Amino acid sequence: DADVTQTPRNRITKTGKRIMLECSQTKGHDRMYWYRQDPGLGLRLIYYSFDVKDINKGEISDGYSVSRQAQAKFSLSLESAIPNQTALYFCATSDGAGDTQYFGPGTRLTVL
Amino acid sequence: QKEVEQDPGPLSVPEGAIVSLNCTYSNSAFQYFMWYRQYSRKGPELLMYTYSSGNKEDGRFTAQVDKSSKYISLFIRDSQPSDSATYLCAMRNTGFQKLVFGTGTRLLVSP
Repeated sequence: DADVTQTPRNRITKTGKRIMLECSQTKGHDRMYWYRQDPGLGLRLIYYSFDVKDINKGEISDGYSVSRQAQAKFSLSLESAIPNQTALYFCATSDGAGDTQYFGPGTRLTVL
Repeated sequence: QKEVEQDPGPLSVPEGAIVSLNCTYSNSAFQYFMWYRQYSRKGPELLMYTYSSGNKEDGRFTAQVDKSSKYISLFIRDSQPSDSATYLCAMRNTGFQKLVFGTGTRLLVSP
């Protein structure tokens, strides 16, 4: 079984809808991250969490929120989706300083 | 100007060629440098890790850091079709727990 799983893998939704992307990990890591990947812009950090009680904004947090339900679970929500949130979303985990990050398979989100 | 610049490619080479992938950066405080490899429809995975300046070799892969020029490189010897992927550089400051990623270079190795 994969160490970092993301659900759903693909999602098409409409403008204004609320969407939740879920991430689970079995690596036992405290640190978890949400990124989005866009062509020409690379990976950009949305939110990160260093433990269950620690949530931090990344460089592009506007329009997103997160919930760390447990050490193993970190969810990303789009409260009211808009078309420019169409992207590939990755969850990642790490221990230590965070240089070795383990990524999930990604969620391809399309907002119409 | 982005903190980390990386040519998006694609870079097309024949099997067996030596490949050079590069990133430049503007923040002189970066001390930790990584290369991640991302296959199509997959998440990135760590390939090489280097602290400060110098070279690091692992099999066919060599990572090189030149802090004076703010330039890092990944060399792939005897490239294989299985090396076809997008390669992302990443880096961070000492004590700064977030990575800054380049945009990635897409590499295509033809048989």
